[in-house]
Amino acid sequence: EVQLLESGGGLVQPGGSLRLSCAASGFTFSQHWMYWVRQAPGKGLVWVARLNNEGTSTTYADFVKGRFTISRDNTKNTLYLQMNNVRAEDTAQYFCARNVAHGLDVWGQGTTVTVTS
Amino acid sequence: QSALTQPPSASGSPGQSVTISCTGTGTDVGAYDFVSWYQQHPGKAPKLIIYEVIKRPSGVPARFSGSKSGSTASLTVSELQAEDEAYYYCSSFVAGDYWVFGGGTTLTVL
Repeated sequence: EVQLLESGGGLVQPGGSLRLSCAASGFTFSQHWMYWVRQAPGKGLVWVARLNNEGTSTTYADFVKGRFTISRDNTKNTLYLQMNNVRAEDTAQYFCARNVAHGLDVWGQGTTVTVTS
Repeated sequence: QSALTQPPSASGSPGQSVTISCTGTGTDVGAYDFVSWYQQHPGKAPKLIIYEVIKRPSGVPARFSGSKSGSTASLTVSELQAEDEAYYYCSSFVAGDYWVFGGGTTLTVL
């Protein structure tokens, strides 16, 4: 079964750090570009970052640029999102998703990040 | 990286058709045929229902169709069913190698 499973969410203080993980299974992870998308409570989807299949090319939304880093380990079939200097507005459910033909066809169930003092 | 514009809500009765619009600009929807649509039920992960403007992933009913004219993309849900009640989001590739979602539309089946 094709599956993505996020982990690493939790409570973090403003200015703190957190690393999210996304474990992939059931498909050849190293062949796919991967994305992080977030959703604040009661709000819509927002694109956060994307990474090519080799892990050599990244793009970030302006509001996370310089604070978040997307990376992957193709030997472990895992995608990461390192979140530094977090802000209250980063509070959201974070989804990882697989890209196929400019559409995100497989999504994880999400992991919740809450930034609070 | 401004969000694409979607109507906050749409509705229709069972068996009817509903169309949801998604308006962008000449640097996103109007520039590329890389528009996708997602269905999200409350508490669930989004599900891809349309990609590259008009294509449906396997398993998505043909009742769901996509189109585009200029900088506005549209999702049409025909023969509405109760289970179609959900949130719908459009998304587009943006010049400069970014991606953007629409604000989302709540579809109510009356």
